[in-house]
Formats: sequence, structure tokens, C-alpha cells
Amino acid sequence: DTGVSQDPRHKITKRGQNVTFRCDPISEHNRLYWYRQTLGQGPEFLTYFQNEAQLEKSRLLSDRFSAERPKGSFSTLEIQRTEQGDSAMYLCASSVAGDGFYNEQFFGPGTRLTVL
Amino acid sequence: GEDVEQSLFLSVREGDSSVINCTYTDSSSTYLYWYKQEPGAGLQLLTYIFSNMDMKQDQRLTVLLNKKDKHLSLRIADTQTGDSAIYFCAVNDYKLSFGAGTTVTVRA
Repeated sequence: DTGVSQDPRHKITKRGQNVTFRCDPISEHNRLYWYRQTLGQGPEFLTYFQNEAQLEKSRLLSDRFSAERPKGSFSTLEIQRTEQGDSAMYLCASSVAGDGFYNEQFFGPGTRLTVL
Repeated sequence: GEDVEQSLFLSVREGDSSVINCTYTDSSSTYLYWYKQEPGAGLQLLTYIFSNMDMKQDQRLTVLLNKKDKHLSLRIADTQTGDSAIYFCAVNDYKLSFGAGTTVTVRA
């Protein structure tokens, strides 16, 4: 069990550029979540997948954001035409599916995005 | 969405007990969680409580849940310097809603 990994760990970009982040979940986990954490705040839910299906998107996920999980394993989060307000830590988590019973979400170390 | 409120800062002397409080608005969560975040590290699940329980003890950690008042607390006994971190309470069954975090500083 190598845990949830995220790449890159840090990304600095200029306003207007596109960026893409990758998340590799724990191998047997079929749920994958994306959260965003800004300075001094707790993580905020963005979206989640069960296998390859994207089941829910937060209203925080504007049209500039797109997430995919094409084969039900790793996931990518792309931000187009980045804005300074997109600067944040982007966290990925994974879990075993199951509603109504305990399923711990394991978090990756995050990708810190800075938009200049 | 879910509103989760926490006090922002707590300073405690080494060896004393720490109590971190959290209030929330939605009572439909099956589980409620406490996470720990240290600088440069990811979120680590510390403990959780099932919504039909009032209390859960796990070594130095005690979680109290008052469903009527929608209040959750985390008590850390014999606080150590390694307990200095940001602590988040979180609710909801899959799309977790987090509070802003309580920064705990342990002084010698």
C-alpha cells in the first residue's frame, strides 16, 4: 500500500495558462475525490468519481475545471485559463465505495498551485 | 452546503488536556470525523464517531457528540509537542464538509 500520490507537488503558472494535475489512488479503492484548500480554510469538496463515472460536481467547479478518470484508476484535474483565485492546494482522496457504512477517505499530499 | 464551525486557535501547555470544539448544521451524517494536518503533510484521519454514539475513546483521544446541539468535540489527553498541528472536524458521508481548522500550539 503506497498511499494516494499526487503529481506535481507544486505548480507555478502564469494567469491564463492551462494546468493539469494527476492523482493515483490506492489501488483497490473505487472512489476518488478532489478537494480544494485555500490558506486558512478547510478543504472544500469539488467532485468525486466511482470507478470511471463522475457522480457529483460542486458548484465551485466552474466551466474552466474538468476532471476525468478514464479507466477507473488514476484521475486528472485540468484548469483552463487559470486565474489568481485558483491559487490553492488541490487535494485528492480515495476510498472504498459504500454509503451508510464507514469508508475512510485517504488523502494524498496535495498539489500546491500558484497563479502569478 | 453544510456549515461547520470551529474555533481557530488553541494554546495548551505540554501535559495538559486539549479540547477542540466543532458545531455543524446538518444532522444527517452517519459518521463524523476528526482529521489532523501537519505542515507539509497531508490530512490524516485521527478518529471518527458513528452518529448514534455519544462518546468514543481511542487511547489519548476522546470524541464527544451531542446530536441535539449539533456539537462535536475532541479531547486530547496528556498533550505532547507532537500534537501541534491543525485539527479539522468533518461531517457528511462522502463529500466531506470541513471546518476551517483549529491550530493547536503546545508550549513547554
